[in-house]
Amino acid sequence: EIVMTQSPATLSVSPGERATLTCRASQYIGSNLAWYQQQSGQAPRLLIYDASTRATGVPARFSGSGSGTEFTLTISSLQSEDFAIYYCQQYEWWYTFGLGTKLEI
Amino acid sequence: EVQLVESGGGLVQPGGSLRLSCAASGFTFSDYYMSWVRQVPGKGLEWVANIKQDERVQTYRDSVKGRFSTSRDNAKNTLFLHMASLRGEDTAVYYCARCRYSPRGCCFDSWGQGTLVTVSS
Repeated sequence: EIVMTQSPATLSVSPGERATLTCRASQYIGSNLAWYQQQSGQAPRLLIYDASTRATGVPARFSGSGSGTEFTLTISSLQSEDFAIYYCQQYEWWYTFGLGTKLEI
Repeated sequence: EVQLVESGGGLVQPGGSLRLSCAASGFTFSDYYMSWVRQVPGKGLEWVANIKQDERVQTYRDSVKGRFSTSRDNAKNTLFLHMASLRGEDTAVYYCARCRYSPRGCCFDSWGQGTLVTVSS
């Protein structure tokens, strides 16, 4: 199984600041990586797929980068609605998710 | 607007069975692979199963193989998850999700609101 490791587990930032979240795969996954946002009590929402492509309707302040085993989700200027849990998911070999990064004020 | 609405969750005893349903609307259901993903409350996400558009291919995570099966009714735009021999570790919120298929596999571009399955005596 490909293990996805997200860091940090919790990230404390202020509105307007930049946030950088990291996801590492235990083996090569190419660009077969997605990022999701989950607000409290809600279903996940797809933000990024193929490592760097924004999903429909996702604001431009969200960007994804990386390939191989190291990936980054950057939120350029945090808005109040961005405080949530973020998960990465690989689809190179079956499907596994990271444990999430909680973005908090 | 894409909508996925799950139903059928509830409390079931260990060893029991349950069938979840997912009603889809707002897109051509028969054009898409569909998936089930679960989440233990307060924990992370875990892929459960996929089903191809024509039902000819179904894939499952190892821990549910032989106990869970997924099916679909394209005429009624409905996805199903049949769960049997349920265990405590199957307790989770079960999400129906639409698969955005790529040559390597799925990411999940639309999700339902989820239905809670609790396995307990």
